Amino acid sequence: GIQVEQSPPDLILQEGANSTLRCNFSDSVNNLQWFHQNPWGQLINLFYIPSGTKQNGRLSATTVATERYSLLYISSSQTTDSGVYFCAVERSGTSYGKLTFGQGTILTVHP
Amino acid sequence: DAGITQSPRHKVTETGTPVTLRCHQTENHRYMYWYRQDPGHGLRLIHYSYGVKDTDKGEVSDGYSVSRSKTEDFLLTLESATSSQTSVYFCAISDSPYNEQFFGPGTRLTVL
Repeated sequence: GIQVEQSPPDLILQEGANSTLRCNFSDSVNNLQWFHQNPWGQLINLFYIPSGTKQNGRLSATTVATERYSLLYISSSQTTDSGVYFCAVERSGTSYGKLTFGQGTILTVHP
Repeated sequence: DAGITQSPRHKVTETGTPVTLRCHQTENHRYMYWYRQDPGHGLRLIHYSYGVKDTDKGEVSDGYSVSRSKTEDFLLTLESATSSQTSVYFCAISDSPYNEQFFGPGTRLTVL
């Protein structure tokens, strides 16, 4: 199956700092999503971004499908950004939204 | 927020007993998914549904069955629970395989 690798595995920031999270995948994809799991366990969809660039407030994401990676940018981080960030993909050739998740990046933002 | 509920939210059961988890949505979305989340494994797809009575296996389907008799409900059944099925189970929904998936709050299942 498709492999999804996220880096870094852990990231510690001071409030106000910027960060970049990376997701590499081993095959072509037709679906790529970023999620945030907050400290209470809730999974929130951040972006559906199989290609191109999107922005939502302080967060933005870019997927370069031809080079098989995606980046999630967090600017001016806040303590509420803490949690685990997951990248998930579906390999091209299937079309049911069968996502394969990476292991996640654990982000801790200190005040 | 998407209208997704899961029940029960917490359950403790014993090895060998049957368990059914329910996912209920009020969004009329066609696609529904069951995932499990375990330390060291992230989230893995168990089963999914692409319509009423249309279901198929995911990555880790052994020991699980599902049913979807109406659009709003997707049931996950552990026929005979084992300790390896202790996990947090998440349901997700989507209106399209090419759109965002929205997750329910999760069910924490402990099999003793």
